[in-house]
Amino acid sequence: SYELTQPPSVSVSPGQTARITCSGDALPEKYAYWYQQKSGQTLVLVIYDDNKRPSGIPERFSGSSSGTMATLSISGAQVEDGADYFCYSTDNSGNFWVFGGGTKLTVL
Amino acid sequence: QVQLQESGPGLVKPSDTLSLTCSVSGYSISSGYYWGWIRQSPGMGLEWIGSIYQSGNTYYNPSLKSRVTISMDTSKNQISLKLSSVSAADTAIYYCARTVSGNRVRGYFDIWGRGTVVTVSS
Repeated sequence: SYELTQPPSVSVSPGQTARITCSGDALPEKYAYWYQQKSGQTLVLVIYDDNKRPSGIPERFSGSSSGTMATLSISGAQVEDGADYFCYSTDNSGNFWVFGGGTKLTVL
Repeated sequence: QVQLQESGPGLVKPSDTLSLTCSVSGYSISSGYYWGWIRQSPGMGLEWIGSIYQSGNTYYNPSLKSRVTISMDTSKNQISLKLSSVSAADTAIYYCARTVSGNRVRGYFDIWGRGTVVTVSS
């Protein structure tokens, strides 16, 4: 099996930069993806291929990856960005497609 | 605009087979992409179940492979999920998602349905 590890929670004040990390042994070779899930809603892709933003995602969302850690950054976080964020990737064999445990972002 | 809508029984008895359907609108599933199923539960978090391509080629989660069948009905533009021998551990929200073949990963999910709640209980 394969695991991606995220911190359970992150808190920032409005206007600050929020950073959420995701660690996994295969991340040096595999891209990381990030999903946002607001309470009671479905998942939305906010970053793909480590650092690309899908159409319609605000520029304040960015991604980076170095070694075994990928990071989602939200610059100038807004109250509306409060949600659960999940990273996603696969192991080196490509057989295990896994999500991190999720990070609850509070912007207050 | 591509939309996915999951449907199926909300309650399934233990040891029975769970059957769900994903109806796709705004895109013909025979035109490309993989189409996958993911579930979410408080105990297991988000868990990929499997994905199917238009050719019928499938990828399944190794931990569920023995119980899972994913199929496509291109005439109805639907994807189906069957999970056999269910138990309370299979209680979850089940999502359908369009699966993109990635550059360094076999697939990732770019568009999700709203999900459907399935409870396994007698």
